[in-house]
Amino acid sequence: EVQLVESGGGLVKPGGSLRLSCAASGFTFSTYSMNWVRQAPGKGLEWVSSISSSSSYIYYADSVKGRFTISRDNAKNSLYLQMNSLRAEDTAVYYCARDSRWLGNRYFDYWGQGTLVTVSS
Amino acid sequence: QSVLTQPPSVSEAPRQRVTISCSGSSSNIGDNAVNWYQQLPGKAPKLLIYYDDLLPSGVSDRFSGSKSGTSASLAISGLQSEDEADYYCAAWDDSLNGWVFGGGTKLTVL
Repeated sequence: EVQLVESGGGLVKPGGSLRLSCAASGFTFSTYSMNWVRQAPGKGLEWVSSISSSSSYIYYADSVKGRFTISRDNAKNSLYLQMNSLRAEDTAVYYCARDSRWLGNRYFDYWGQGTLVTVSS
Repeated sequence: QSVLTQPPSVSEAPRQRVTISCSGSSSNIGDNAVNWYQQLPGKAPKLLIYYDDLLPSGVSDRFSGSKSGTSASLAISGLQSEDEADYYCAAWDDSLNGWVFGGGTKLTVL
């Protein structure tokens, strides 16, 4: 059974840093691209970042570029999101999501339960 | 302001059919597949439709997807109370080099 379990969320002051983790199990983690998607309270989904299976390709939303860093450790079946210079507008539930492909087209087929990040003084 | 445009809400009676639209542009829907996600209250999103009109294993065939040009639609037939949820469309955007989501549509089953 595919499982994605996020951790590392919490309360942080504006300008602070936080590192999120996503522990994967039930599939060969090293062969899948992975993503972070967030959802501010009462708002819609917003894609944050993607990383390919070997970390060769990394993409960020403009809203987090230069502040957030996505990474992975295939030996530990783990995905990470280092978040620096946090702002109030980064307050959200952060989901990790597995990236699958069908005939060259991609989709998020499994999602974790999410971890809440609150940026407030 | 989301890159993909969805109606904020739709409502319909049980056993009826409802459609949710998703409008984009040539750099996203016009050039890439559309995926749909269902988010039940208080839960994580779940893949509902991928590659425009394909159903993942385990998803009811009451759900269907379609795409034409730069727009896509999700249809739900035989509405049930358990279908009450938020629905999101998503696609890769070649210009932004990232995923874009619709703002979400809240479905109410009357």
